[in-house]
Amino acid sequence: GPKVLQIPSHQIIDMGQMVTLNCDPVSNHLYFYWYKQILGQQMEFLVNFYNGKVMEKSKLFKDQFSVERPDGSYFTLKIQPTALEDSAVYFCASSSGLGGDYEQYFGPGTRLTVL
Amino acid sequence: GDSVTQTEGQVALSEEDFLTIHCNYSASGYPALFWYVQYPGEGPQFLFRASRDKEKGSSRGFEATYNKEATSFHLQKASVQESDSAVYYCALSDQAGSFNKLTFGAGTRLAVCP
Repeated sequence: GPKVLQIPSHQIIDMGQMVTLNCDPVSNHLYFYWYKQILGQQMEFLVNFYNGKVMEKSKLFKDQFSVERPDGSYFTLKIQPTALEDSAVYFCASSSGLGGDYEQYFGPGTRLTVL
Repeated sequence: GDSVTQTEGQVALSEEDFLTIHCNYSASGYPALFWYVQYPGEGPQFLFRASRDKEKGSSRGFEATYNKEATSFHLQKASVQESDSAVYYCALSDQAGSFNKLTFGAGTRLAVCP
């Protein structure tokens, strides 16, 4: 089936540094999402993105977070600066939105550890 | 805000046992309901959805029926296999148009012994 790829699979950085998480969504998909899962807790919506714009974001999507998809390349989540509480697994998802099909396809996640 | 509650954190069964994972939701609107399954090292995979009251969703022998009165969407399978061992997530999405962000339950870890 369709695959969403995420790069890197693991990232360890020091608090205060910048990090960019990369997502390669399914090729014809138009809607993109980021979700955050802290170890032992449930997965929570961060943001969705369509037509070059953030359509909706949750309270977890702090001012230090930003998303973009320049020129149809990777869909990225940037955190600058990082904080200890940003340690989590971040899942990217995409959906086509065509014909009312909003089934979301998820990547395997990027495990971010902030020291 | 919207929320999803999965009663069981972990379920341990033997092959050919009957499975039930309970899911209840709270939502202000009329949500679409989903089940996702997650295997180790992978992201959640869509299992099936239901969009209206009394609709049954099903896939790979798993099924669940949308019950608006009880605000439930319990997952069932008549005879589980060892390969069904995974984490199962119930989720909802507001159909009124919030670009379908998903609200997940905490997940239920299913372990099936041969």
